[in-house]
Amino acid sequence: IAGITQAPTSQILAAGRRMTLRCTQDMRHNAMYWYRQDLGLGLRLIHYSNTAGTTGKGEVPDGYSVSRANTDDFPLTLASAVPSQTSVYFCASSVQVFTEAFFGQGTRLTVV
Amino acid sequence: DQQVKQNSPSLSVQEGRISILNCDYTNSMFDYFLWYKKYPAEGPTFLISISSIKDKNEDGRFTVFLNKSAKHLSLHIVPSQPGDSAVYFCAAVGSGHSGGSNYKLTFGKGTLLTVNP
Repeated sequence: IAGITQAPTSQILAAGRRMTLRCTQDMRHNAMYWYRQDLGLGLRLIHYSNTAGTTGKGEVPDGYSVSRANTDDFPLTLASAVPSQTSVYFCASSVQVFTEAFFGQGTRLTVV
Repeated sequence: DQQVKQNSPSLSVQEGRISILNCDYTNSMFDYFLWYKKYPAEGPTFLISISSIKDKNEDGRFTVFLNKSAKHLSLHIVPSQPGDSAVYFCAAVGSGHSGGSNYKLTFGKGTLLTVNP
């Protein structure tokens, strides 16, 4: 089934550890995004990519990095996790930047 | 600086009645608006959108109205069904503060809709 796959689905991580959240899409969409969802704050954009090879900062980029080596993959890395990064992370993609986006199932990350 | 506002965190309606979800925005550069629906433990799914050149877009039971002068949009669901119970996010797209082609999709905080049987 075509769509977006995120891994892992959930993770408990010790503060200070490095973690990469994986995201893969098989729809050949140009644009990809990472959002975090926090209670009372809605969805906030962390980083995005208009096309393979390019990335941009969203609303809350600090503490996160991304890469877009190819069309299909858009990993999100937390270099040194902190408890405030406890959240549900959603990867999304769209044909063109910021048109209707398809979302993955999310990764629930708890930093302790 | 919250550019997309959903001021009602929750809404409860009876099955068969109309649900009206509201959204306000502050950035006049927004020119495309979307509604997403989210069930617990799932990712958001696209529901309906509207361009700023229109004031209404309809898709089955869902209609979105846009009032550009008031910087306000609303989603109407008629008739409401229990399966519509979910969190609804309003989102807007337009040039960022830096202008140019730096489009950023900005979401509101969401409204939890509960449709009671």
